[in-house]
Amino acid sequence: SAVISQKPSRDICQRGTSLTIQCQVDSQVTMMFWYRQQPGQSLTLIATANQGSEATYESGFVIDKFPISRPNLTFSTLTVSNMSPEDSSIYLCSAWTGSGYTFGSGTRLTVV
Amino acid sequence: QQQVKQSPQSLIVQKGGIPIINCAYENTAFDYFPWYQQFPGKGPALLIAIRPDVSEKKEGRFTISFNKSAKQFSLHIMDSQPGDSATYFCAASMGTSYDKVIFGPGTSLSVIP
Repeated sequence: SAVISQKPSRDICQRGTSLTIQCQVDSQVTMMFWYRQQPGQSLTLIATANQGSEATYESGFVIDKFPISRPNLTFSTLTVSNMSPEDSSIYLCSAWTGSGYTFGSGTRLTVV
Repeated sequence: QQQVKQSPQSLIVQKGGIPIINCAYENTAFDYFPWYQQFPGKGPALLIAIRPDVSEKKEGRFTISFNKSAKQFSLHIMDSQPGDSATYFCAASMGTSYDKVIFGPGTSLSVIP
């Protein structure tokens, strides 16, 4: 099955700064999905990213806070902007890779 | 209607036991029901998945039972091992490359020797 590489794996950031998370898929995929997983919680979808169009955001998430790029069929980035301690979470990307939805290993973000 | 319910929240079984995790959904448009296993510090890994045209699917020690009329499905882990200790998420989706996955709240499983 396909592999999704995600980086950084973890980071500690100052409040008010931004962090960009990258996801690379080893095959072309139609949609990429970005999730947030707060400590001890389930996964919540942030947005869906299709190449060449603006991402579609779920209720409670906005583009100004979580801008997403999808420049080609194998790559996407999520930026967490103007961070606050409440943004401390694990961020994961995902894609349908033919045999199911595959996930990256996640980015553990701590905002101090 | 997009919600997926999951129980129990946590589960402790002896090695060799058969933990059962139950899930329920409302949206009859869901067409793909995967189970994910997540270890601490790792992303979720697809364990097994089922579509509503079958009532049961087995892969190794893992079995999904699916009841379309009740809109329920469950995961059974046969001969459970300490290495199965993880968080398990059921999920539901329309099941194409365009569709998002809705996750249940998760079950923390501990298998004690």
